[in-house]
Amino acid sequence: LAKTTQPISMDSYEGQEVNITCSHNNIATNDYITWYQQFPSQGPRFIIQGYKTKVTNEVASLFIPADRKSSTLSLPRVSLSDTAVYYCLVASTDSWGKLQFGAGTQVVVTP
Amino acid sequence: DTEVTQTPKHLVMGMTNKKSLKCEQHMGHRAMYWYKQKAKKPPELMFVYSYEKLSINESVPSRFSPECPNSSLLNLHLHALQPEDSALYLCASSQTGGNTGELFFGEGSRLTVL
Repeated sequence: LAKTTQPISMDSYEGQEVNITCSHNNIATNDYITWYQQFPSQGPRFIIQGYKTKVTNEVASLFIPADRKSSTLSLPRVSLSDTAVYYCLVASTDSWGKLQFGAGTQVVVTP
Repeated sequence: DTEVTQTPKHLVMGMTNKKSLKCEQHMGHRAMYWYKQKAKKPPELMFVYSYEKLSINESVPSRFSPECPNSSLLNLHLHALQPEDSALYLCASSQTGGNTGELFFGEGSRLTVL
């Protein structure tokens, strides 16, 4: 399973864009990159998943360079309610069912 | 219905007690998971069921015993736990279990072992 490394914490102000970069140097050909968000005392919530280039949904964008050794989750115009822990996961089709969470990034948004 | 429901939300038990955590989903998902999460740590995978059969056991101590009575229900039976087993226990489900899909998590059962 590919190991992921992401910053422990990030601070931002309301209305700013937050970019969280995740490093996954030993990502394999069949691996997908997935991001989850977790609020205190709640289960994680799926945000976005991608394989290469760029993926965008109503919540976030995910940028993946050609070598796929890193990825960046972009949260546009954050609000106080975006304060949460964000987890980067590398999901391998070769390791069925084994979705292992990395350490996560605590994002704190202040007014 | 896109919910995973876990009961109880809170549980306090002594080391000699036997209790169970329950999880239910009605999304037609065929893979269900148990994760354990300690404070300020990421969730750790414990068990995975696929089509009601145990597929993955991440070397979890036998004092934790999972059960999947049918495709909608997942139980975690607890017996002779230790105080260090106190944690948030999260249940999740996914359509099949292939790692390219989305996991739907419940809100968790917070367990305290005295």
